[in-house]
Amino acid sequence: DQQVKQNSPSLSVQEGRISILNCDYTNSMFDYFLWYKKYPAEGPTFLISISSIKDKNEDGRFTVFLNKSAKHLSLHIVPSQPGDSAVYFCAAKLDSNYQLIWGAGTKLIIKP
Amino acid sequence: DTAVSQTPKYLVTQMGNDKSIKCEQNLGHDTMYWYKQDSKKFLKIMFSYNNKELIINETVPNRFSPKSPDKAHLNLHINSLELGDSAVYFCASSQEVRDRWFSGYTFGSGTRLTVV
Repeated sequence: DQQVKQNSPSLSVQEGRISILNCDYTNSMFDYFLWYKKYPAEGPTFLISISSIKDKNEDGRFTVFLNKSAKHLSLHIVPSQPGDSAVYFCAAKLDSNYQLIWGAGTKLIIKP
Repeated sequence: DTAVSQTPKYLVTQMGNDKSIKCEQNLGHDTMYWYKQDSKKFLKIMFSYNNKELIINETVPNRFSPKSPDKAHLNLHINSLELGDSAVYFCASSQEVRDRWFSGYTFGSGTRLTVV
């Protein structure tokens, strides 16, 4: 049973527009959520994170929103750039251990 | 200067062989991991070591054996390779920081294993 779900396998967005990637989770004990970006033939790279005690975290063009009541988080990229084309993974962490629980990823394609 | 380096990047081998993948991190992190990315692109944790001690050992065949000679190295040895072992294997490291701040993982670039 997947505890972290990314229901959109892919997303296509026009350059300059906003990209919104979504992630749902089932375990209310998760205390940290992270987004990773992955290019082909490379390892995932850390993008942005949010603690469960917050509802928003911003870093440049990237903002993560957390809605604990809905068990939902989203990553907003504004404005979208061609270099943002990659697979984005959502991950969640339990307070009690080191393990990250991963979503299946969403492939973001930025169209020129 | 690569933070998490794993070798080799590509590995093609025949069924039944034994092979090793090496991983080294120069970040001073306490915890290292091995992940497998399967054909459906899921990232699945296999093992985790914290200061050379095994802390996560997911259900993987016992043909897979991790070895951590020191906290900067975590190698993965695979015996009697099977076709289903073909995947991309990622090494990662992390540093847990108190006060609820978690720095996330730093991943290596992956090893694409192909068993023929």
